[in-house]
Amino acid sequence: GAGVSQSPSNKVTEKGKDVELRCDPISGHTALYWYRQSLGQGLEFLIYFQGNSAPDKSGLPSDRFSAERTGGSVSTLTIQRTQQEDSAVYLCASSSGQGPEAFFGQGTRLTVV
Amino acid sequence: AQSVSQHNHHVILSEAASLELGCNYSYGGTVNLFWYVQYPGQHLQLLLKYFSGDPLVKGIKGFEAEFIKSKFSFNLRKPSVQWSDTAEYFCAVNEPDSGTYKYIFGTGTRLKVLA
Repeated sequence: GAGVSQSPSNKVTEKGKDVELRCDPISGHTALYWYRQSLGQGLEFLIYFQGNSAPDKSGLPSDRFSAERTGGSVSTLTIQRTQQEDSAVYLCASSSGQGPEAFFGQGTRLTVV
Repeated sequence: AQSVSQHNHHVILSEAASLELGCNYSYGGTVNLFWYVQYPGQHLQLLLKYFSGDPLVKGIKGFEAEFIKSKFSFNLRKPSVQWSDTAEYFCAVNEPDSGTYKYIFGTGTRLKVLA
């Protein structure tokens, strides 16, 4: 596609429910990132996929968070048993293997009530 | 661990005023440096980047940034801001020698330009 696409754009969920957030990176980009943007907190790194290498999961805040990337393209971020502190904008970005410049999607605004 | 500091959290300027936003990072090795901008309601966009070479980097919309290695800084500047520059600005760093291109972002600076 022309850019990084994320869905849904907004998600309201009840505390304790599981949610899945989807990211479609730019076609041909080998690297994919997930970040979380909370008010006043900047962008918090969550996870990074590069090609077929093992993902860098060092930013995942708890074992309730997981992500996978199927076929080296689409990625899904799953949050189990959501908590109110999970409310944030979840951003996905991708980059080509030719250089580190990343292109961001519009994000998914998650609200846990 | 690598960290990025943006000391100005909120900045309010009048149109035509000069802008300088501070960015400092903690890593002493080779770094790639970036400024991203997020206009209201829009996604993050790359403003400018530094990989190597001339430490004075020019980006889009009249922005520039200067890499000062001795000060671990990459401050963003614009000589004369416009109302349309109202946005949130993020400094970011990654370490190419680490083998990954994981970005570390600062907390952002919200700029409001008064018409």
